[in-house]
Amino acid sequence: SQQGEEDPQALSIQEGENATMNCSYKTSINNLQWYRQNSGRGLVHLILIRSNEREKHSGRLRVTLDTSKKSSSLLITASRAADTASYFCANNSGSRLTFGEGTQLTVNP
Amino acid sequence: NAGVTQTPKFQVLKTGQSMTLQCAQDMNHNSMYWYRQDPGMGLRLIYYSASEGTTDKGEVPNGYNVSRLNKREFSLRLESAAPSQTSVYFCASTLAAPGAGELFFGEGSRLTVL
Repeated sequence: SQQGEEDPQALSIQEGENATMNCSYKTSINNLQWYRQNSGRGLVHLILIRSNEREKHSGRLRVTLDTSKKSSSLLITASRAADTASYFCANNSGSRLTFGEGTQLTVNP
Repeated sequence: NAGVTQTPKFQVLKTGQSMTLQCAQDMNHNSMYWYRQDPGMGLRLIYYSASEGTTDKGEVPNGYNVSRLNKREFSLRLESAAPSQTSVYFCASTLAAPGAGELFFGEGSRLTVL
């Protein structure tokens, strides 16, 4: 399988804390994307980082990419209860996106 | 602006029955996809269509067929449903070439095969 791996599988934190999720992949990539999925809903795109970029920010989100280690991380700062969701990384090599298994984030009020 | 619309949202089938999942997007996107999502396995690509008139197999195409009816619509057909096809199916689309840009997802179709 070309699927990457995400860790942790589940993460529970208190509101206001930061949440960090990690993603590893197996092949060379053109870009890596992060998505969010609320329970029972479709996935929503959060951020895309290209293979020649090392860090990208969007609001409270910070994504890093280390192509030498074939890994990426997503940091959510000052988390809120509304951030409770599953988060997926997806790596692009060639013509398709390959999704990881996701991290279930729970932010407790 | 509806985005990506999938029908039906829920369906229960008996083993051996057939059905078609419909997907339509109103964003003038070129590429469309069908994924399935199973617990603990993330999303796996079934088929995709890079443009109207073309379709390609993904990671798990066996037991499925697709039709890119026009630029807006991309349907997924199960000819003879099996319990292993119980899953949540997501349609997605993108303006960019496959893999190059963000995907826009529908809300999913939850299929149970008894």
